[in-house]
Amino acid sequence: EAQVTQNPRYLITVTGKKLTVTCSQNMNHEYMSWYRQDPGLGLRQIYYSMNVEVTDKGDVPEGYKVSRKEKRNFPLILESPSPNQTSLYFCASSNTLANTGELFFGEGSRLTVL
Amino acid sequence: AQSVTQPDIHITVSEGASLELRCNYSYGATPYLFWYVQSPGQGLQLLLKYFSGDTLVQGIKGFEAEFKRSQSSFNLRKPSVHWSDAAEYFCAVGRASNTGKLIFGQGTTLQVKP
Repeated sequence: EAQVTQNPRYLITVTGKKLTVTCSQNMNHEYMSWYRQDPGLGLRQIYYSMNVEVTDKGDVPEGYKVSRKEKRNFPLILESPSPNQTSLYFCASSNTLANTGELFFGEGSRLTVL
Repeated sequence: AQSVTQPDIHITVSEGASLELRCNYSYGATPYLFWYVQSPGQGLQLLLKYFSGDTLVQGIKGFEAEFKRSQSSFNLRKPSVHWSDAAEYFCAVGRASNTGKLIFGQGTTLQVKP
């Protein structure tokens, strides 16, 4: 089954404790992206990657890191989480070569930073 | 800069009634427009999209949307709402179909009364 898989789905952590949210897609998509969803703000892009070893900042990159060493994986790293990073995070991927523009989303990772 | 506005944060309709969710965009060229739905606890699913051609596009689950360039709008409609349509709906605009980058609106939460 074609899917985008995120882990963990739920996480409660404390300020300053490094964490990684993993994202994996099995559709051989070139493009991957991370969004955060906050009430009243919709989805805002954190980072994106056009292909392996190519990453770029989105609209709200502060406090986050990413890497794209393999095509299927795009982990989101919070080196020193803070309470304002409490949010619902979505990973998404897209087949840019197919020219459809459709993003495929994971089920989300709800992060709480105390 | 690109932007998307969904004027209605929350809408309540009775089951069987018609539905229209509004979306206005700001973009200097012909936009690529999308509507996504997010059911509780789920990721986002594509309902429909517009790239070019016929300005009335049909999507899944009986939804349709109409692109009106003169009004910079891409409103989502459904003739008869079902209780299972209760969800959050996001309008999004993209620069081009092969970049994967989308800008999302704030979202509209739809509640369906029995």
